[in-house]
Amino acid sequence: ETGVTQTPRHLVMGMTNKKSLKCEQHLGHNAMYWYKQSAKKPLELMFVYSLEERVENNSVPSRFSPECPNSSHLFLHLHTLQPEDSALYLCASSPSGRGQETQYFGPGTRLLVL
Amino acid sequence: AQSVTQPDIHITVSEGASLELRCNYSYGATPYLFWYVQSPGQGLQLLLKYFSGDTLVQGIKGFEAEFKRSQSSFNLRKPSVHWSDAAEYFCAVGANNAGNMLTFGGGTRLMVKP
Repeated sequence: ETGVTQTPRHLVMGMTNKKSLKCEQHLGHNAMYWYKQSAKKPLELMFVYSLEERVENNSVPSRFSPECPNSSHLFLHLHTLQPEDSALYLCASSPSGRGQETQYFGPGTRLLVL
Repeated sequence: AQSVTQPDIHITVSEGASLELRCNYSYGATPYLFWYVQSPGQGLQLLLKYFSGDTLVQGIKGFEAEFKRSQSSFNLRKPSVHWSDAAEYFCAVGANNAGNMLTFGGGTRLMVKP
């Protein structure tokens, strides 16, 4: 596979469930990102990892818990979500996480919280 | 902090007509700028980027954009739109002193009439 892949592509969960989103990049990059894309709101950066170290946590509620076990994989663990958390969650990667880099995006996971 | 405004939420053009999508940014220093496109159910694909140098940049699919510092703008253009260009377009700005964190505009949804 090439580029950035995300699984699952679609997820429906109840508010008491625990689930995880997975992102994998095949570009040899060292930085990875989670974004949230809600209807009628601009794309919001959630987390940034560079060399498996979290460098940004953009005031995200603790019910979202990221994990970056290596530079190719990024997870977003979800628990006790709210209906307003329903959104498209996009993963991206870039070479190093330093300035002036292009970010490459995956296709996203469409999440519905009931 | 930087910000991005895309004044047009929706634009409809006829196939074969020219297109211009507006993007205005706010940032105190020289920004680096991107245009991404998102087709339904997909992630974001990079169309073009401006880091420095020639202010008219060429991208994929026949798109171009011009950086105008005096107007704080980075408008996207295409001389002749194809039906396959129907999608949502996002302008993004990055700051040189903020790692690789991007701020996105709200997007412009382009519809193409036959």
